[in-house]
Amino acid sequence: DGGITQSPKYLFRKEGQNVTLSCEQNLNHDAMYWYRQDPGQGLRLIYYSQIVNDFQKGDIAEGYSVSREKKESFPLTVTSAQKNPTAFYLCASSIQQGARDNEQFFGPGTRLTVL
Amino acid sequence: SQQGEEDPQALSIQEGENATMNCSYKTSINNLQWYRQNSGRGLVHLILIRSNEREKHSGRLRVTLDTSKKSSSLLITASRAADTASYFCATERGNNRLAFGKGNQVVVIP
Repeated sequence: DGGITQSPKYLFRKEGQNVTLSCEQNLNHDAMYWYRQDPGQGLRLIYYSQIVNDFQKGDIAEGYSVSREKKESFPLTVTSAQKNPTAFYLCASSIQQGARDNEQFFGPGTRLTVL
Repeated sequence: SQQGEEDPQALSIQEGENATMNCSYKTSINNLQWYRQNSGRGLVHLILIRSNEREKHSGRLRVTLDTSKKSSSLLITASRAADTASYFCATERGNNRLAFGKGNQVVVIP
């Protein structure tokens, strides 16, 4: 899982509550990403950030929000507007915007269950 | 094979056999990457092949790329029980974003 940590590993939430998932990296990477993974599915991009204080919506941003106030941190908030939030959430980072052949480094994931 | 709209594939093999999985994509690419995911864990990068390369090796892994057919294959030779995992291909979409396939699940039976 490299130098990326996600917490908590398991998270339970009641319907109607917002919840924030933590992602921290010590790799000095510029770019960070949030993905959602549902059973039997690939990864779908929620939000990504190429540099501090900047982020862009991915393919399924509705019902989610992020911030990038520090290079090493990229928290994801799952809001009550997200209709089906139960999923496995993965955070990733890559070394540098515009660099060739960027591979992504992933955290261990957070499994969110809405009760 | 995996691509955006196909169901994930599953492969069950005996330890010591080779495992081959395929990936197809739709647009032109700079590179194609393969990742492994153990159950309930994050993804781990395995290998990257550039669009001007046709074959690449890394240990027991062999990746091929056919840009004319927009397809790639990953071969794991002499499989081990520890190779049991899901394998994803990913292509770059621009702005350092990756598009992932739905994955191939491989089970290696000891």
